[in-house]
Formats: sequence, C-alpha cells, structure tokens
Amino acid sequence: DQQVKQNSPSLSVQEGRISILNCDYTNSMFDYFLWYKKYPAEGPTFLISISSIKDKNEDGRFTVFLNKSAKHLSLHIVPSQPGDSAVYFCAASGLTGFQKLVFGTGTRLLVSP
Amino acid sequence: SQTIHQWPATLVQPVGSPLSLECTVEGTSNPNLYWYRQAAGRGLQLLFYSVGIGQISSEVPQNLSASRPQDRQFILSSKKLLLSDSGFYLCAWSFSYEQYFGPGTRLTVT
Repeated sequence: DQQVKQNSPSLSVQEGRISILNCDYTNSMFDYFLWYKKYPAEGPTFLISISSIKDKNEDGRFTVFLNKSAKHLSLHIVPSQPGDSAVYFCAASGLTGFQKLVFGTGTRLLVSP
Repeated sequence: SQTIHQWPATLVQPVGSPLSLECTVEGTSNPNLYWYRQAAGRGLQLLFYSVGIGQISSEVPQNLSASRPQDRQFILSSKKLLLSDSGFYLCAWSFSYEQYFGPGTRLTVT
C-alpha cells in the first residue's frame, strides 16, 4: 500500500527551464509534506516543506504547491541548473505525530546544459 | 550546528555473518533517531525509530534490530545477515517534521 506516490521515475529538462516534480498521496490525515534531494551514495538533503494549512511555499528557486482536494503536491525548480540533477523524494507526515515520514519512490531529474 | 555521522561507509559481509552499523549525532540533545534502508531502485523504508534512550519502535518485521545505548548514538544490528539485507542504510535525526540524514552505509551481503 503505497501512501505516497511519485509516478514519474525520471524527468529530463534543459538548463534554465522549469522542472516540475509531482507527488500524490492517498491519506487525507497527512498534514505536513517535505521534499528531499539525493545524490548517489549520499544521504538525502532536506529541500523545502509545506504545512497542510498552506497551498504554496517558496524558497529561492524552489516552490512547493499543495492541492489538498486533489491530494497532490508539486515541486517547481526555476531556473533549473545542471547541479539540480539528482533523485527527488517527496515525503508526508502527520499520521502519528511528527515522528514518522512516509516517502515516495523518487523521481530522477536530469538537467542538461 | 548539528552533524550526523555514520560508519562504515561501505561494508561487504557474507551471508550469516553479524552486522553492526553505528550512527552518532553531534550538536544536539535528545533527538529523535531513525534507521532507513533504500534497496536498489526503491524508495526509503523506515526500519526503526527512537524517541529516547532505550526506546525503540520497529516498523517492519525482519532479522534486524536497533539499540540506543546513549542519547546521541543509534546502532543497527543483525545476528545473521541475509542476502535481502543488502542495501543503502541511512540514519537520520529530527526534532520536528524535518529529518536530517547521515551519509549512509552501503551494505553488500554476498
């Protein structure tokens, strides 16, 4: 039972363009959502998060949008840079307090020069 | 600032051998601690989490165990490794929703 889904295993974008990574969840009890970036053979790095009381959060080139009615969130990266090439995981929390995150399976982003 | 350490970085072990992976956090007190595994081509699976010394919650049945002998130390163990235990093991800490991960240990069971 995959409660957090990232249906696109990979995404290719040209440098300077927008990257849009998508994530869907099934449980309406989730109330906090996060995005992580992961390079090979390294631990994930926290990027940006959003509470369910908001529909948008922005941090520099990164913006996360939350659509609660659709149970959908997305991460926008503008402009995309080659250094953004990595695997991006979305995660959700709230079912049992903040102790546990449920992760999606990840989307590999490739930004070409 | 907080720092999280994991060792070893890589490990190759034969089937049936024991395992001990260690994680330590610096610069904070009484964090929540986590062990995750990422199998090849898969997402992050939560194995164990701890909210305090000696307090361990297990998420999936398996032949792994975890211990927290000190506030900032988290250990992942196995008495006998299986081939299916191969993967990338990650330790993380948190105080709230955001979790911060260590560099990981690549375990190959042969």
